[in-house]
Amino acid sequence: EVQLVQSGAEVKKPGESLRISCQGSGYTFTNNWITWVRHMSGRGLEWMGRINPSDSHTNYSPSFQGHVTISADKSIGTAYLQWNSLEASDTAIYYCARGHGWSDYWGLGTRVTVSS
Amino acid sequence: EIVLTQSPGTLSLSPGERATLSCRASQSVSSNRLAWYQQKPGQAPRLLIYDASTRATGIPDRLSGSGSGTDFTLTISRLEPEDFAVYYCQQYGSSPVTFGQGTKVEIK
Repeated sequence: EVQLVQSGAEVKKPGESLRISCQGSGYTFTNNWITWVRHMSGRGLEWMGRINPSDSHTNYSPSFQGHVTISADKSIGTAYLQWNSLEASDTAIYYCARGHGWSDYWGLGTRVTVSS
Repeated sequence: EIVLTQSPGTLSLSPGERATLSCRASQSVSSNRLAWYQQKPGQAPRLLIYDASTRATGIPDRLSGSGSGTDFTLTISRLEPEDFAVYYCQQYGSSPVTFGQGTKVEIK
């Protein structure tokens, strides 16, 4: 069974750093890109970027380029989404999903709250 | 980037009725690379349709996707109670990938 297991909820202060994770199982991790999607409360889905776990090649949305970093460790089948300096506006649920274009399997989401 | 505009914002219908959701792109979607997702409160999105008209695994045939170029439609022929949710279209033909703002299908 294909699963994407995401790390737990986080509460952080503005300016702090954070890395959340997404571990794939039930399939060959390096065969599929991993995509990250943001869902802010009361708003729609926003595509952030994606990574090819086999060579760590990444694509970012211009809206998120330079503010987040997407990485992966293929040896442990895990992708990451990282911030060096969080802002209150980063408060949202972040989903990882399998796929370069359309995404057939999704994690349950990681809730990130940034508040002073 | 391609902007996707979904209409209506909210659709109020009764179970058994037909739902027609629209997704219009600001420019032509390459190779009709458009997907539809359903999202319920507190849940992750669920893939329904990809490549504009191909149903994902396990999706019932009362849901269908159509369209090409800049105009796409998701049709639910007879609404079941589990169909009341928010629906998003997504284009993946051009970078960056983009989503529409969503259409909420609510019980009338």
